Amino acid sequence: DAKTTQPPSMDCAEGRAANLPCNHSTISGNEYVYWYRQIHSQGPQYIIHGLKNNETNEMASLIITEDRKSSTLILPHATLRDTAVYYCIVRRIGTGNQFYFGTGTSLTVIP
Amino acid sequence: DAGVIQSPRHEVTEMGQEVTLRCKPISGHDYLFWYRQTMMRGLELLIYFNNNVPIDDSGMPEDRFSAKMPNASFSTLKIQPSEPRDSAVYFCASSTFRGQGNRDGYTFGSGTRLTVV
Repeated sequence: DAKTTQPPSMDCAEGRAANLPCNHSTISGNEYVYWYRQIHSQGPQYIIHGLKNNETNEMASLIITEDRKSSTLILPHATLRDTAVYYCIVRRIGTGNQFYFGTGTSLTVIP
Repeated sequence: DAGVIQSPRHEVTEMGQEVTLRCKPISGHDYLFWYRQTMMRGLELLIYFNNNVPIDDSGMPEDRFSAKMPNASFSTLKIQPSEPRDSAVYFCASSTFRGQGNRDGYTFGSGTRLTVV
């Protein structure tokens, strides 16, 4: 599976949009981009995933560049409860379904 | 749905003792994963099962670690003998594969914090 690169940490003001970038320059055509987050001492939680098109759900939006070499997770109105480590993962479909987590981005939402 | 259930939540044991961690996956999920998380190494995939059969155990650190899944509703991760460097949070996750483009229900448990003294 393709490797991903994320900044180790970011800050965001409460109420503002949090934009978390991820580079995946070696992504293949059949690999999806997934985002998970881990709030302190809890298990990782699914946020969103996509292949080519931008995606939006009740938690976040996912913007994937046209060449698919990078993506951005957007939390539209960050709250203190969004403080967590965010993982960007690229995974092939049909490969045993396992996820390999990198180091992620530690997002701190500041009051 | 109660989610993925792990027990115990916390375990403190002495070096050399046997430790058994338990996991109950979500009903209907046919994949089960064991992860270990430490500050130094982050989240590491140890082993995963499909339909109760171990598929890939290449992440298991050494022979002291073993995992079983005797049926679809229960799995164990055993460490014998335990060592201080095994101290970590161990997560279990379950999922089912619904095909490309579908969310594949990858759900984690709350983890077991293991401390070996």
